[in-house]
Amino acid sequence: DQQVKQNSPSLSVQEGRISILNCDYTNSMFDYFLWYKKYPAEGPTFLISISSIKDKNEDGRFTVFLNKSAKHLSLHIVPSQPGDSAVYFCAATGGGSSNTGKLIFGQGTTLQVKP
Amino acid sequence: NAGVTQTPKFRILKIGQSMTLQCAQDMNHNYMYWYRQDPGMGLKLIYYSVGAGITDKGEVPNGYNVSRSTTEDFPLRLELAAPSQTSVYFCASSYTRTGGSYGYTFGSGTRLTVV
Repeated sequence: DQQVKQNSPSLSVQEGRISILNCDYTNSMFDYFLWYKKYPAEGPTFLISISSIKDKNEDGRFTVFLNKSAKHLSLHIVPSQPGDSAVYFCAATGGGSSNTGKLIFGQGTTLQVKP
Repeated sequence: NAGVTQTPKFRILKIGQSMTLQCAQDMNHNYMYWYRQDPGMGLKLIYYSVGAGITDKGEVPNGYNVSRSTTEDFPLRLELAAPSQTSVYFCASSYTRTGGSYGYTFGSGTRLTVV
């Protein structure tokens, strides 16, 4: 039962253009969402997060959008840079007695930004 | 440097052997997690802890055990290693359930091969 899904395994964009990475979730108890970036042979590093009480959070070139009715979130990177090439994971955590403390990850999307 | 330290970085085990993956954090974080990442896949939650003395199963706990006797340490024990446990293991920690402005801090991983 995949509660957090990233349906696009890979994405390729040109430098300077927008990258849009998508994530869907099934558990309506999730109330906090995070995006992580991972380079090969390293641990994931935190990028940006959003609470379910918001629909948008922005940090520099990175913006996360949350559509609760559709159980969908997306990460926008503008402008994309070659150094952004990495695997991006979305993750979710939720309240409620059945999920407290768990951070569930999607499968990841490999982003390639071409110079 | 403050952070999450995982040891060893690499290990080759024979089928049926046992080992303990070490994880230590010096940030006084309450929440700690163990994940595994199989090739081309996302991170699967093995076990997690919301504080010293408290642990709970994640998505894929079979074949593993954990303990949390102190806030700082969260070792993962593999008993009777099997080839299916070949993976990269990541430990993570957080001060709160959501990670706040800093998300969850990950270690650099332990690459385990069972032959």
